[in-house]
Amino acid sequence: AQSVTQPDIHITVSEGASLELRCNYSYGATPYLFWYVQSPGQGLQLLLKYFSGDTLVQGIKGFEAEFKRSQSSFNLRKPSVHWSDAAEYFCAVGPTDSWGKLQFGAGTQVVVTP
Amino acid sequence: DAGVTQSPTHLIKTRGQQVTLRCSPKSGHDTVSWYQQALGQGPQFIFQYYEEEERQRGNFPDRFSGHQFPNYSSELNVNALLLGDSALYLCASRASGEHYEQYFGPGTRLTVT
Repeated sequence: AQSVTQPDIHITVSEGASLELRCNYSYGATPYLFWYVQSPGQGLQLLLKYFSGDTLVQGIKGFEAEFKRSQSSFNLRKPSVHWSDAAEYFCAVGPTDSWGKLQFGAGTQVVVTP
Repeated sequence: DAGVTQSPTHLIKTRGQQVTLRCSPKSGHDTVSWYQQALGQGPQFIFQYYEEEERQRGNFPDRFSGHQFPNYSSELNVNALLLGDSALYLCASRASGEHYEQYFGPGTRLTVT
């Protein structure tokens, strides 16, 4: 069965520290991969996406993600977290032959402490 | 550009009632998808509309139906509401030629009592 797993439900990180959010997927073939962020009262905002090519993807707000085919993973990283990064982060996959139908993980809540 | 807009922001309904949620896509977008996000969960795909037709559907019962209008706006209808339908309903729009360049609205929070 297809699935997207975000193993960490909740992460607390100090401002200025690095952040890594994990995402693993189970799929028949390599899908398109995405990271979204959701702040309270806000819709989902796309941080970055991977379709093909370079496995290290740069996104907005200083985020990057690395696709590792052998591990079926697409982990999100940020070198130095700002208080405004506190939000919920969702990993999502989409089949390459079915536009727009995204399957999301359950999300990781990120709390940033001073 | 107003982005994707949804109305209403919040809604409270009673079990068994029917509800209609509305979505206006981002300017230039012609494809609309709807997602249900239960508390503490990731969004789940309900269906997608393009050229006023339902093109794809997720694992949702027939109580969930939709419509797309000639101006590309869309409605989500849910009949015979259940307590489990309480969720944030998100609308996403994109241009048909753009692979996954979806923009999400802020959502409608539906509470069924």
